[in-house]
Formats: sequence, C-alpha cells, structure tokens
Amino acid sequence: EAQVTQNPRYLITVTGKKLTVTCSQNMNHEYMSWYRQDPGLGLRQIYYSMNVEVTDKGDVPEGYKVSRKEKRNFPLILESPSPNQTSLYFCASSLQRTGHTIYFGEGSWLTVV
Amino acid sequence: EDQVTQSPEALRLQEGESSSLNCSYTVSGLRGLFWYRQDPGKGPEFLFTLYSAGEEKEKERLKATLTKKESFLHITAPKPEDSATYLCAVRYAGGTSYGKLTFGQGTILTVHP
Repeated sequence: EAQVTQNPRYLITVTGKKLTVTCSQNMNHEYMSWYRQDPGLGLRQIYYSMNVEVTDKGDVPEGYKVSRKEKRNFPLILESPSPNQTSLYFCASSLQRTGHTIYFGEGSWLTVV
Repeated sequence: EDQVTQSPEALRLQEGESSSLNCSYTVSGLRGLFWYRQDPGKGPEFLFTLYSAGEEKEKERLKATLTKKESFLHITAPKPEDSATYLCAVRYAGGTSYGKLTFGQGTILTVHP
C-alpha cells in the first residue's frame, strides 16, 4: 500500500530540547516536503526536496532543518524548539514530474511548552 | 506576490443543495492546480489535478474546473459525508521555486441532513 509515514504522531516537548520528526515513503518518489498547519494560516511549506541531497526552503523555514540522505526518508529537525513551533506537521511526497499527485502523511501533532 | 485565495471561508449547505467553491491564484508559470479534501486531524486527501485553462475533471458529486486565474470546485447534490475542509494548492515553475507548493486557507464545508 502506498504510504507516507510520519513519527511520532503526537509529541509534547520542552523548549530547547532537540527533536526529529521522521518521514518515510514507499513509493520511490523523488519529491518530498514538509508543511505545518496552523488555525487561520492554512498549510505552509517549510522545506522541500527534489531528490537525494537536494533540498530547498519553502515559505517558513526558520527554526527547522532537513536532510535527504536517502530517497525514502526526509526527517524534519527542530534543533531548539520554541512554543511558536507548536503546530500540526505534515510530510508529503510525489513523483518529481510536474503536476503529479502529492500524497500526505497522517500528520504529527507537536506541542512545545 | 504569489498568492492563492479560497472563498468562501465557510459554507453551510442543506443536503442536495448544489454550490461552488472558488480558488483564485496569482502565481506565474502554473504547473498544476490541486484540490484536496481534509477531514479534522487527518492529512489532505487528493481529489483532482488541473493543468491548463479549460480543463475539467469529475469525481462522483464533485467537478473541478480551471481558468487562467481561478478554479472552481462544484458540488452537486451534496451529502453530509461531503462535509470537510477543501483545500486548493498550486505548484509553479520559475527560478528556484519549482518545488514550491502554495495552499489556500481552505473552505470549510458543512452539509446538513
């Protein structure tokens, strides 16, 4: 079954404690991306990757890091989380070709206290 | 500034009452306009991709259309199970922003029995 899998699904952490949200896809997709969703602001793109070792900033990259060492994995790293990073995070993937369907994971609820 | 705007923000319909949702965009070099459905606490679920003005796609009670400046999602004889947030997103070319995907803020649709 085609899937984008995120972990953890739910996390409460403290300010400044580094954390990583993992994302894995089993569809051999080149394109992967991270979004955050906040009430009233909709879905905003954090980072995206067009292929292994190729990443670029989205609209709200501040406070986040990513890496793409393998095609299937695209972890999101919060080096020093702050309360304004409390949000619902989605990972997504697609074939690189223009217009292809983008598949989303189920989301990761992150609370930073 | 590249923008994607959805209207209305919320729409309440009676079962069987047809209506339309709007997505207007100002991005240049459109490479795909996507419609998604999102249920509370879930990841967006793909509905349609439209590539060029004049294109139309249908799925059950939903029909998506595209012009050079906007897209409509027509809902014919909706049922309560169509209640969800409907998201529009555009993917566009140009410089280093090829992989960027910009979402509108969504339309919350509620269908009453």
